[in-house]
Amino acid sequence: GQNIDQPTEMTATEGAIVQINCTYQTSGFNGLFWYQQHAGEAPTFLSYNVLDGLEEKGRFSSFLSRSKGYSYLLLKELQMKDSASYLCAVRDSYSNYQLIWGAGTKLIIKP
Amino acid sequence: DTGVSQDPRHKITKRGQNVTFRCDPISEHNRLYWYRQTLGQGPEFLTYFQNEAQLEKSRLLSDRFSAERPKGSFSTLEIQRTEQGDSAMYLCASSLVRENIQYFGAGTRLSVL
Repeated sequence: GQNIDQPTEMTATEGAIVQINCTYQTSGFNGLFWYQQHAGEAPTFLSYNVLDGLEEKGRFSSFLSRSKGYSYLLLKELQMKDSASYLCAVRDSYSNYQLIWGAGTKLIIKP
Repeated sequence: DTGVSQDPRHKITKRGQNVTFRCDPISEHNRLYWYRQTLGQGPEFLTYFQNEAQLEKSRLLSDRFSAERPKGSFSTLEIQRTEQGDSAMYLCASSLVRENIQYFGAGTRLSVL
């Protein structure tokens, strides 16, 4: 079956680093996406991993291990505006390459 | 590039009424997706189009839901005989066939009373 797990909520301090984990089980893995979603707004694309390893983009990095069915999103130098939900989604070739979404991790940044 | 736009942003309706939402994708994008999202959940796939062809529809989608993309540009999603359980955010996204990234609109929030 298909399953994506993320922590429901995390809290971190402004200026610190936080790692949001995502584990997945899919039949035909074809890439993993991270999106950011502020309350009441559209999800916005952050990163895409299809090969193992770390992809860095400014303050945000995303890591993938296909053998472990595991990814994380790393946010550095946290800012108050980073308070949002972070959604992990997996593209699944067994589901016609549609995205299978996790429920999202709500990140709360405290001063 | 003005992004994906959705109209209306909010819709309040009474149970049993029909509602229609519109999505205008990014102009050169040939794929268009509809999702439904409830509080604390990720987006749930409803259907998608490549140009004007509806290529897939979720098995979970009731036959009260129908979507069209008549000229391969904008799309409409209609819900007939709305029920309280239809209350959700309806998101539209678009992408290029050759690219994996989906770009989302701000959504239409539906409240069924």
